[in-house]
Order: sequence, then structure tokens, then C-alpha cells
Amino acid sequence: QKEVEQDPGPLSVPEGAIVSLNCTYSNSAFQYFMWYRQYSRKGPELLMYTYSSGNKEDGRFTAQVDKSSKYISLFIRDSQPSDSATYLCAMSLRLNDYKLSFGAGTTVTVRA
Amino acid sequence: DTGVSQDPRHKITKRGQNVTFRCDPISEHNRLYWYRQTLGQGPEFLTYFQNEAQLEKSRLLSDRFSAERPKGSFSTLEIQRTEQGDSAMYLCASSTGQGHTGELFFGEGSRLTVL
Repeated sequence: QKEVEQDPGPLSVPEGAIVSLNCTYSNSAFQYFMWYRQYSRKGPELLMYTYSSGNKEDGRFTAQVDKSSKYISLFIRDSQPSDSATYLCAMSLRLNDYKLSFGAGTTVTVRA
Repeated sequence: DTGVSQDPRHKITKRGQNVTFRCDPISEHNRLYWYRQTLGQGPEFLTYFQNEAQLEKSRLLSDRFSAERPKGSFSTLEIQRTEQGDSAMYLCASSTGQGHTGELFFGEGSRLTVL
């Protein structure tokens, strides 16, 4: 069993829809949770960062962490074609940890 | 461009050959990381440098793999006697090791195809 599980999709939604992405993890010691976005043939870039359970909002993006269920989510409101990318969840044991554990990534396509 | 730079972007080689990838991190970043990403999977940690010191190596990094970061600047990742299973995207990232997000800044990757 992988340490971090993420449904690879693919996910196809019409423009303006809400995109819902999630990951589950097995290591309860994970403290820091991130979402990276990866465009085709590019490296991942940090989208959202959260620590501890709860919600965090940044513009159209909301990240949720439920440590009791070992479950994290990312919601994208009013999705745009430019949001079409692969979204990777990542987590670490410590702040500024050198080792991130990534999910497999979910490929999202937003149709115009 | 002041981001992480990787070279070459794509390398095709025959099984058994040696290949070397280079990474130039963001200049003020003292931490440098190598990750490997295979098709349909997320990046997997390979190794980590703090300045010129290699502080951690994953068990994924077999003895055919060697990484260096002379003088704490650029880094090289060499794969000797390549195998088809080495085909992957090799991602380099750098960071300051400080700040409240621990963000890693990734390069665009070096894609290796072993025939």
C-alpha cells in the first residue's frame, strides 16, 4: 500500500464547474500538506500549503485537511481552461522537510 | 530566467550507456533535491544536498546512481549502465530550507528514455 493514495482520474469538467480533488494517507505522523500543480512537460509548482486540520482558502482554491480521517481535499471554484493540469498532493513530517511524499496526481481538464 | 534550470531536457540512450544530468538551482538556495517521476506517478525522493553535503539518499538510489554538488552550486546526477527501468523524468528542486511553507522550487525536468 502506498503511503499517499490519489485517484489519477482523469477528470473532465465544463468551465465554471467546481473541481474536487482528494488524497488519503496512511502515516499519521504527516503534519504538513501541500497541493502542487503540474502543467504538461513542466515541473510541479506549489499551489496551496496547509498545516493541521481545517480549511484554507486562496482565491478560487480551498484546501481542507482532516487529520482524524487522514484525508485532504482541494476544491477549485469557477474552474477555467487554464486550470487544466495535473494536481499532486504532497505531505511531509516536518516544516521545510527535505522529503515530500507525493500522490500519483489527478489530471484535470476544464472544457471551454 | 532565475528559476531552477535542468539540462538536458530530454536524453535518449541505449541500455548500458552512462548518462549525466545537470541542475542549476536558484542562486540563493542552499538546499537541492533530486526526485524521479515515472509516467502516471508522483515524484519520488532520490537525494538531498545541504550546500555541498549530500545528507540523505533514498533506497531508490542504487549504486549505479551518483549525485554530486561541488562547491554547493550546481548538481549532477549520473546514472551508470542504464536500464530500461531508469526511464523517467528526473526532477531537480531547490529551496532555502526556511520560510513558513517549505516550498520546493522545481525545474522542468530531464526526461530519460532508455532503449
